[in-house]
Amino acid sequence: AQKITQTQPGMFVQEKEAVTLDCTYDTSDPSYGLFWYKQPSSGEMIFLIYQGSYDQQNATEGRYSLNFQKARKSANLVISASQLGDSAMYFCAMREDSWGKLQFGAGTQVVVTP
Amino acid sequence: GAGVSQSPSNKVTEKGKDVELRCDPISGHTALYWYRQSLGQGLEFLIYFQGNSAPDKSGLPSDRFSAERTGGSVSTLTIQRTQQEDSAVYLCASSLGTGKTEAFFGQGTRLTVV
Repeated sequence: AQKITQTQPGMFVQEKEAVTLDCTYDTSDPSYGLFWYKQPSSGEMIFLIYQGSYDQQNATEGRYSLNFQKARKSANLVISASQLGDSAMYFCAMREDSWGKLQFGAGTQVVVTP
Repeated sequence: GAGVSQSPSNKVTEKGKDVELRCDPISGHTALYWYRQSLGQGLEFLIYFQGNSAPDKSGLPSDRFSAERTGGSVSTLTIQRTQQEDSAVYLCASSLGTGKTEAFFGQGTRLTVV
């Protein structure tokens, strides 16, 4: 069964606008971590942000913030003030601490337009 | 080295030949992951190591695929009797394990089977 679901295959966003990338997950493990990665056309995987299942506050890293809704099993990434360099594929991932395996969603392709 | 190192970066092989892909993780990282990524697609999980053991090898597509890790460090992914559908980028990642520790990715090996 799919553990990580990203329902948006692609999105267009205008420069300076905010964009929300959806991610839902499925786990019965009480302890887990959620990650977002960015993959530009160069192919490298760049870590963006982490949210732990026990963290009380939503994670933030610069222009990236994670809207964590535990009861809904949702971990949406918000990119504020989009820049042309934000054009990339974005992957949501989860690691269940009891197992350790890092699983990825299918990704969302973001294109930032001037 | 400072990061995850994969070799070779590119490999072209003839159908039916065996190939070995190497991953050198970050020193001290106990968890090591192999993924496969076809053009424009998401990350397909192959196998996960914790130390030298592989708690999860459920993603290996067939018995032509095998992987090992020695000394809790270097890992080798072997594909026997390569087929054209094996053509993809093979990504390796390592992490400290559980908790707030992201996985760091190598640059990948681009495998082309002709």
